[in-house]
Amino acid sequence: QKEVEQNSGPLSVPEGAIASLNCTYSDRVSQSFFWYRQYSGKSPELIMSIYSNGDKEDGRFTAQLNKASQYVSLLIRDSQPSDSATYLCAVKVGVGFGNEKLTFGTGTRLTIIP
Amino acid sequence: NAGVTQTPKFQVLKTGQSMTLQCAQDMNHNSMYWYRQDPGMGLRLIYYSASEGTTDKGEVPNGYNVSRLNKREFSLRLESAAPSQTSVYFCASTRGLGNQPQHFGDGTRLSIL
Repeated sequence: QKEVEQNSGPLSVPEGAIASLNCTYSDRVSQSFFWYRQYSGKSPELIMSIYSNGDKEDGRFTAQLNKASQYVSLLIRDSQPSDSATYLCAVKVGVGFGNEKLTFGTGTRLTIIP
Repeated sequence: NAGVTQTPKFQVLKTGQSMTLQCAQDMNHNSMYWYRQDPGMGLRLIYYSASEGTTDKGEVPNGYNVSRLNKREFSLRLESAAPSQTSVYFCASTRGLGNQPQHFGDGTRLSIL
């Protein structure tokens, strides 16, 4: 089992709809979770971070975390063509200075259809 | 506000050649990382440096060496390039302990012929 798993997609969503991206992780002690957006040919860009169970909202983005189910998701409301990108889920693994690293999923490619 | 700067942006090498990828950050971050990204494989950690003076292997270190030159700079060296090392290489940095995200450079696109 991979440490961080995402559906690779592609996921196609009509403009204006809600896009739902999912991620599961295997390390039960993980405490920090991040969503990065990566446009084709560009570097990953942080869009959301979440550390506690529940929902965290930032504009059109909502991150959801359920540590008991080892599941983190990203919802994008009112999807826009500019949201078309690959979304990477990242989980901080390890504890203590020098041991903490990010493990990335393979990414979900999202296409917003005008 | 440059953030994380990588050089070069593109490079083509022949099998067996050597080269060094450079990375510098101006955010006073303690920890720095080198990743490679291949289609369908996501980002894989090659080496990282938790602080100045320390380096550790990541998931795919074979064929690479690193140097943490000072707090700002972290270089990645390919001693004898192989076609399997054709990839996009990203450098990232973070403040260190705690819930701090990593910030990425623009990447180096490396082709080994």
